[in-house]
Amino acid sequence: GENVEQHPSTLSVQEGDSAVIKCTYSDSASNYFPWYKQELGKRPQLIIDIRSNVGEKKDQRIAVTLNKTAKHFSLHITETQPEDSAVYFCAASMRGGATNKLIFGTGTLLAVQP
Amino acid sequence: GAVVSQHPSRVICKSGTSVKIECRSLDFQATTMFWYRQFPKKSLMLMATSNEGSKATYEQGVEKDKFLINHASLTLSTLTVTSAHPEDSSFYICSAALGLGEQFFGPGTRLTVL
Repeated sequence: GENVEQHPSTLSVQEGDSAVIKCTYSDSASNYFPWYKQELGKRPQLIIDIRSNVGEKKDQRIAVTLNKTAKHFSLHITETQPEDSAVYFCAASMRGGATNKLIFGTGTLLAVQP
Repeated sequence: GAVVSQHPSRVICKSGTSVKIECRSLDFQATTMFWYRQFPKKSLMLMATSNEGSKATYEQGVEKDKFLINHASLTLSTLTVTSAHPEDSSFYICSAALGLGEQFFGPGTRLTVL
């Protein structure tokens, strides 16, 4: 079946450093790649997304890059802050009826040390 | 962003009883809603895709007679866990999809079956 792999599973950085999380997907038809941040016991929050017609998107300290040929995409967080600590999930769309459904990666626990 | 509510936030029930969880999109109409299950420190596992006015599409391995889904309007989908057992204890999260594929999540329901 369709699969999204995510690495690393845990990531610890010092405040102010950059963090990079990488995902690969298997469905070449995937065309939408969101990233979610989930704090403990809370709902996943959409933080950035990218569509297959662009290679990079940036929103302040957060950026996402997409390599369709290699079928991988990455989340980049610069100047990390303690409040960035959370679990981050990547996802890739796959056709599921009228609306694309999302297949989620396994998550990355990011810890930003003050 | 789009707001999705979910009720109840927590429920504790006895084994053998049924539990209904509601998911509402508050400020937009969602033709498609999704139901996920999340175990502690794990990723979101898609259970089913709920389309307004039609039968839900279940993922492989998800029992449709155990997890009843109703999507009666463009703003409401319900998940009923029938004859719940301790192994059904989990965090259940719904999402509502906008037209371009973005999914916005509800706050989740923590189900504990005694």
